[in-house]
Amino acid sequence: EADIYQTPRYLVIGTGKKITLECSQTMGHDKMYWYQQDPGMELHLIHYSYGVNSTEKGDLSSESTVSRIRTEHFPLTLESARPSHTSQYLCASRRGFNNEQFFGPGTRLTVL
Amino acid sequence: GIQVEQSPPDLILQEGANSTLRCNFSDSVNNLQWFHQNPWGQLINLFYIPSGTKQNGRLSATTVATERYSLLYISSSQTTDSGVYFCAVFSNQAGTALIFGKGTTLSVSS
Repeated sequence: EADIYQTPRYLVIGTGKKITLECSQTMGHDKMYWYQQDPGMELHLIHYSYGVNSTEKGDLSSESTVSRIRTEHFPLTLESARPSHTSQYLCASRRGFNNEQFFGPGTRLTVL
Repeated sequence: GIQVEQSPPDLILQEGANSTLRCNFSDSVNNLQWFHQNPWGQLINLFYIPSGTKQNGRLSATTVATERYSLLYISSSQTTDSGVYFCAVFSNQAGTALIFGKGTTLSVSS
């Protein structure tokens, strides 16, 4: 059983608001990831981190930013939300590269 | 980068039927995982299987790394098996993170 948490699970906000999606894991995993997924579609990597103070952009361009100040915490921030940001955001983690990756329950974001 | 193709894209079954889902990948991989995404959007780990065969209850998986494919078998399907099944791979050469296929959507009716 993986211990990776995301809050909020659902969020409906208005255009222009600043939001932070929280992701925490208690497994001591060094690698953490954010994926974006539209309904019924594949997952796309938007951010990743190899450890504390390490952050990189993924394959899909995103207007969000991330930080990794502590091993267990990898929040994602949108400075000014727009309707095009409406999607599901999934956080994941794993230890090293050649090990099993685990996902949090996801945050469903709707921007009106 | 590495390409991941899943087939079929959609599958409709009657309860009790068996099925095979396929995942082809374009390069050698160090990690392959199968996930089930439930109706609430959560990704459930089914198998971590870079090579060989594993079984877990009614589900089993086989990866033939040298031929670059993996198969997920579902036997005696139940309505709770419905959802999207994703294959995802990682390659040390490609770096970064798991790369996902587009998924197979399974609908099991009673």
